[in-house]
Amino acid sequence: DMKVTQMPRYLIKRMGENVLLECGQDMSHETMYWYRQDPGLGLQLIYISYDVDSNSEGDIPKGYRVSRKKREHFSLILDSAKTNQTSVYFCASSYWGQDTQYFGPGTRLLVL
Amino acid sequence: QQQVRQSPQSLTVWEGETAILNCSYEDSTFNYFPWYQQFPGEGPALLISIRSVSDKKEDGRFTIFFNKREKKLSLHITDSQPGDSATYFCAASVPPNTGYQNFYFGKGTSLTVIP
Repeated sequence: DMKVTQMPRYLIKRMGENVLLECGQDMSHETMYWYRQDPGLGLQLIYISYDVDSNSEGDIPKGYRVSRKKREHFSLILDSAKTNQTSVYFCASSYWGQDTQYFGPGTRLLVL
Repeated sequence: QQQVRQSPQSLTVWEGETAILNCSYEDSTFNYFPWYQQFPGEGPALLISIRSVSDKKEDGRFTIFFNKREKKLSLHITDSQPGDSATYFCAASVPPNTGYQNFYFGKGTSLTVIP
């Protein structure tokens, strides 16, 4: 069963705290993505990873970093979270060269 | 610059009617256009897609019409059902052999189907 998982599903942090969002997939997809979704703005690409330790900035990478040490696992890190990083974060994965992305259920982050 | 635009932002139709969701794009090198459906509290899921070599793609009640010359496409949902109430995202991507695989998403159309 093809699946993308995200942990945690909900998270509340204070401004200045560090945040770790985790994503896993069981399809051996080479490519993984992190997006954020804000009302009325659609999905904005933060980072894309083409495989282990092969990451590239997306459209809005400022304030974020990523880590991919295993093909099935992709982490998004917010060092010293800001209130404007309150959002819903989605992870997705796909085979390289194929077009279908599989999305996780999202993590709802509130930064106070 | 917004690469993919969608209209309307929200749409309400009666059950049984045809809902038409519009999408336009900027980059003529885009060659793949997926539509994603998202229910509240869930991640987007691929609904239907089309490649630029085709002008129409059908899957049950869902049909994409594609006009390459005008860089426009539309998603038609015939016999709309209350269960179709969701947000629909149009996306576009360039060929992956360019070395950078990225998808550009529109801002979405929120569809409500009234019983």
